[in-house]
Amino acid sequence: GNSVTQMEGPVTLSEEAFLTINCTYTATGYPSLFWYVQYPGEGLQLLLKATKADDKGSNKGFEATYRKETTSFHLEKGSVQVSDSAVYFCALRGVQGAQKLVFGQGTRLTINP
Amino acid sequence: DAGVTQSPTHLIKTRGQHVTLRCSPISGHKSVSWYQQVLGQGPQFIFQYYEKEERGRGNFPDRFSARQFPNYSSELNVNALLLGDSALYLCASSLGTPKGNTEAFFGQGTRLTVV
Repeated sequence: GNSVTQMEGPVTLSEEAFLTINCTYTATGYPSLFWYVQYPGEGLQLLLKATKADDKGSNKGFEATYRKETTSFHLEKGSVQVSDSAVYFCALRGVQGAQKLVFGQGTRLTINP
Repeated sequence: DAGVTQSPTHLIKTRGQHVTLRCSPISGHKSVSWYQQVLGQGPQFIFQYYEKEERGRGNFPDRFSARQFPNYSSELNVNALLLGDSALYLCASSLGTPKGNTEAFFGQGTRLTVV
């Protein structure tokens, strides 16, 4: 079945550092790929998405590129801020119907001033 | 516009009891999905409903059931609660199509604690 693997956390960085959170997936065909963010005490918010190979999703300075050859969708940001502290989830939606999202285990990011 | 609303926000139940969680989707959205998020893990898909019909079911026991009403709101029911059912239950709504490929918007969740 479909699955998503994220780099283990937690990740702690200083403000203005470069961020990479690795995400790889296993799926048949060409799934849609997502990054969601969860702030403390809140639900999930869609951060960015890509629906086909080589697409780049971007939002709020975050970027991720859909790499079919490496089955990856790594999240990057050039300069993180304290307000980026949250839990980040990589997810995929398979090609066959339904709205089912398959999530990775999440990566907790803490940014220190 | 109101987002996805879930009620209650927090709930404490005793083992063996029954619980009902409620979700109101964004106006105009016809699809509702339910997820269970155990502490420290990613959400796990439980059910999806579109136009009041079940369109997908995850790997959960029959103690879990759900339904969608004519106004597209939804209930998740869990019978015979176990300690392991303690989790954040998330509802997501989307415009929905038979193919299911529309963006999902999540509510803030219901925190269920089973003691």
